[in-house]
Amino acid sequence: DMKVTQMPRYLIKRMGENVLLECGQDMSHETMYWYRQDPGLGLQLIYISYDVDSNSEGDIPKGYRVSRKKREHFSLILDSAKTNQTSVYFCASSRDWGEQYFGPGTRLTVL
Amino acid sequence: QQQVRQSPQSLTVWEGETAILNCSYEDSTFNYFPWYQQFPGEGPALLISIRSVSDKKEDGRFTIFFNKREKKLSLHITDSQPGDSATYFCAASLNTGNYKYVFGAGTRLKVIA
Repeated sequence: DMKVTQMPRYLIKRMGENVLLECGQDMSHETMYWYRQDPGLGLQLIYISYDVDSNSEGDIPKGYRVSRKKREHFSLILDSAKTNQTSVYFCASSRDWGEQYFGPGTRLTVL
Repeated sequence: QQQVRQSPQSLTVWEGETAILNCSYEDSTFNYFPWYQQFPGEGPALLISIRSVSDKKEDGRFTIFFNKREKKLSLHITDSQPGDSATYFCAASLNTGNYKYVFGAGTRLKVIA
């Protein structure tokens, strides 16, 4: 069963706290992505990972960092979260440039 | 800058009508255009896609029309059903190299029974 999972689904943090968003996939896809989705802006690419320890900045990487130590797992880290990082975050995976499979999203609120 | 634009922002049609969702892009090197469908509370899922060598792609009630010269494409949903109510995203990529998609802001479709 092809699946991308995200944990947690909902998260509330205070400004300045650290945030860890986790993503997993069971398809052995080499490539994984982190996006954020805001009303009226669609999906914006934060980071892309081409494989373990092979990460590249997307269009809006400022304030974020990522970690990929296993092919099936990709983490997004917000060090000292800011209120403007309140958003819905989606993880996706793909085999090369094939279809991107998305997870269900994490709704993050930074107070 | 917004490289992929979608219109309208929202669209309401009656059940059975054809919904037409529009998309345009700026970068003429884009050569792959997937459309994603997203229901509330879920992640986007691939609905249908087209490569720039084609001008039309059909999959059941969903058809993409592509005009390379004008850098425009449209998604036609014929015989619209209430279950089609969702947000539709047009995306563009080079289909080689860096695997990055550029997404439009989406069109929210509502189909009334």
